[in-house]
Amino acid sequence: AQSVTQLDSQVPVFEEAPVELRCNYSSSVSVYLFWYVQYPNQGLQLLLKYLSGSTLVESINGFEAEFNKSQTSFHLRKPSVHISDTAEYFCAVSGLSNFGNEKLTFGTGTRLTIIP
Amino acid sequence: DAGVTQSPTHLIKTRGQQVTLRCSPKSGHDTVSWYQQALGQGPQFIFQYYEEEERQRGNFPDRFSGHQFPNYSSELNVNALLLGDSALYLCASSSVKGYEKLFFGSGTQLSVL
Repeated sequence: AQSVTQLDSQVPVFEEAPVELRCNYSSSVSVYLFWYVQYPNQGLQLLLKYLSGSTLVESINGFEAEFNKSQTSFHLRKPSVHISDTAEYFCAVSGLSNFGNEKLTFGTGTRLTIIP
Repeated sequence: DAGVTQSPTHLIKTRGQQVTLRCSPKSGHDTVSWYQQALGQGPQFIFQYYEEEERQRGNFPDRFSGHQFPNYSSELNVNALLLGDSALYLCASSSVKGYEKLFFGSGTQLSVL
């Protein structure tokens, strides 16, 4: 079984400042890791994922996350945030499956609020 | 491409009633998963359907059941509704060939009074 801990329920950040959203996971097996974003009244959108290979993964809108196996972490960072980044961010983990569609286990989310 | 569509968007029921939620997957997807997102919580996996069969199930009681149709669309049924069933119910679709292509719908907000 896997579990995900998002240490911060709310993170207020000034516009153009850097931000880090923390995520730690627990698993007895190898995992895939994900960050999803949820804007108000919308479903979840995949922001970025780690499946294998380079431990640093990037999204198209400036976010990046680094997989740290020894610390079982997958923190999300952005060097300069914008008002449009205001949203709820969820870290998720899944086990590896031959079926190819393993269920996701989500953290409780971090609400990122950008202050103008 | 309409993506994943869910209906209805909002629903109000009373305790003890039954409810059916519907999901149409993204074009080309054959697998449908359902998640429950309670207020202030992350989504929790309910179950997953592929080839019209339940393939995986989370820690939810038998009051939660589902179905997948030959056109890959799916229904989530909840019987004997409890106040604690109030939540956003999310449907996600994917293709068994490509795990990373998981798309979520906007959800059905269920309120149980």
